[in-house]
Amino acid sequence: RKEVEQDPGPFNVPEGATVAFNCTYSNSASQSFFWYRQDCRKEPKLLMSVYSSGNEDGRFTAQLNRASQYISLLIRDSKLSDSATYLCVVSNSGGGADGLTFGKGTHLIIQP
Amino acid sequence: DARVTQTPRHKVTEMGQEVTMRCQPILGHNTVFWYRQTMMQGLELLAYFRNRAPLDDSGMPKDRFSAEMPDATLATLKIQPSEPRDSAVYFCASANSFRGTGGYYEQYFGPGTRLTVT
Repeated sequence: RKEVEQDPGPFNVPEGATVAFNCTYSNSASQSFFWYRQDCRKEPKLLMSVYSSGNEDGRFTAQLNRASQYISLLIRDSKLSDSATYLCVVSNSGGGADGLTFGKGTHLIIQP
Repeated sequence: DARVTQTPRHKVTEMGQEVTMRCQPILGHNTVFWYRQTMMQGLELLAYFRNRAPLDDSGMPKDRFSAEMPDATLATLKIQPSEPRDSAVYFCASANSFRGTGGYYEQYFGPGTRLTVT
């Protein structure tokens, strides 16, 4: 079983819609959680970290449920520029200062 | 705008040849990571260094892969001999473990080396 599992999609969503992704992780010792974004043939870039209390950054909201080992990402008012692959990421160290474990990503396509 | 740089960006080689990939981390970052990305496996951690000392290389095939940091501005990943199954994008990332914003340490990725072994 993969340590971090995500629905690969693709999710085809009209511009302006709200879209939600989720992932599950298997290691209960995981301490830090992130969402990364990767554009086609580019490097991954940090989108946001995920806190137990939930956190929001503009149109993006991330939630963590430690009991269920479940992480979610909600994108509101989606833009064409949101089209990318979204990677769910966990780390066994506080703050993610050590190696990261990536899910295989969920591919999002925003349609005009 | 500080960035991680990697060379070469693309490499095509024949099976059995040696491949060396280089990474220049962001100045001042003390932690350097090597990841590999394939369609089948996604992104996987191969090895990482902190203050030039190897901390974990458990993700790396030991018989053919080696990673080093000759100095604080250069990390290398070498494959000898290369095999077709090594074809992937190899990413280097760096981070500063002494400073965290909001309690986490962002890893900055380089553009990757796209390796094809025929």
